[in-house]
Amino acid sequence: DIQMTQSPSSLSASVGDRVTISCRASQSISSYLNWYQQKPGTAPKLLIYAASSLQSGVPSRFSGSGSGTDFTLTISSLQPEDFAIYYCQQSYSFPITFGQGTRLEIK
Amino acid sequence: QVQLVQSGAEVKKPGSSVKVSCQASGGTFGSYAIIWVRQAPGQGLEWMGKMTPIHDTTNYAQKFQGRVTITADKSTSTAYMELSSLRSEDTAVYYCAREGETVTRLRYFYYYMDVWGKGTPVTVSS
Repeated sequence: DIQMTQSPSSLSASVGDRVTISCRASQSISSYLNWYQQKPGTAPKLLIYAASSLQSGVPSRFSGSGSGTDFTLTISSLQPEDFAIYYCQQSYSFPITFGQGTRLEIK
Repeated sequence: QVQLVQSGAEVKKPGSSVKVSCQASGGTFGSYAIIWVRQAPGQGLEWMGKMTPIHDTTNYAQKFQGRVTITADKSTSTAYMELSSLRSEDTAVYYCAREGETVTRLRYFYYYMDVWGKGTPVTVSS
């Protein structure tokens, strides 16, 4: 199985900050990497697919980059509604695996 | 726009089975795969398996092989996930999701979960 490791596990930031979350795969997954946002009590929401493609309706302050084994999710200017847990997920091979999540909290 | 409506919360005894449904509206059911993901309390997301109704094919996570069955009823646009031999560690919220697909000009296929149900809490307790 491909292991996905996110860093950091938690992060405190302020509104307006630029934030980056990293995701590393245990082997190369090309660009088969997706990012999701999850708020308490709700289902995950797709933000980025294919490493860098913005899902329709997602604000442009979210961006993704990377290929191979190292990927980054960037939020250019944090908004109050962005405080949530973020997960990366590889779609390169079965079984599909997720990172452990990064909790983004208000400083 | 596809919407996925899941069945309600369940409470089950250890050793029993649970069957969760996921009814799709909008779109063409069967033209996309349905994926099941679960989330234990306070934990991360865990992929269980997927079914592609148009091909009648399923893929399961090794961890759940022999215990999970994913099916679909095209006549009612409903997918089902049945998990047997339940234990307390199966207590979780179970989500269904649509597998979205993008094809590039070079014919690379990218897959992702773009529409999610609200989740079905399943509690396993004696």
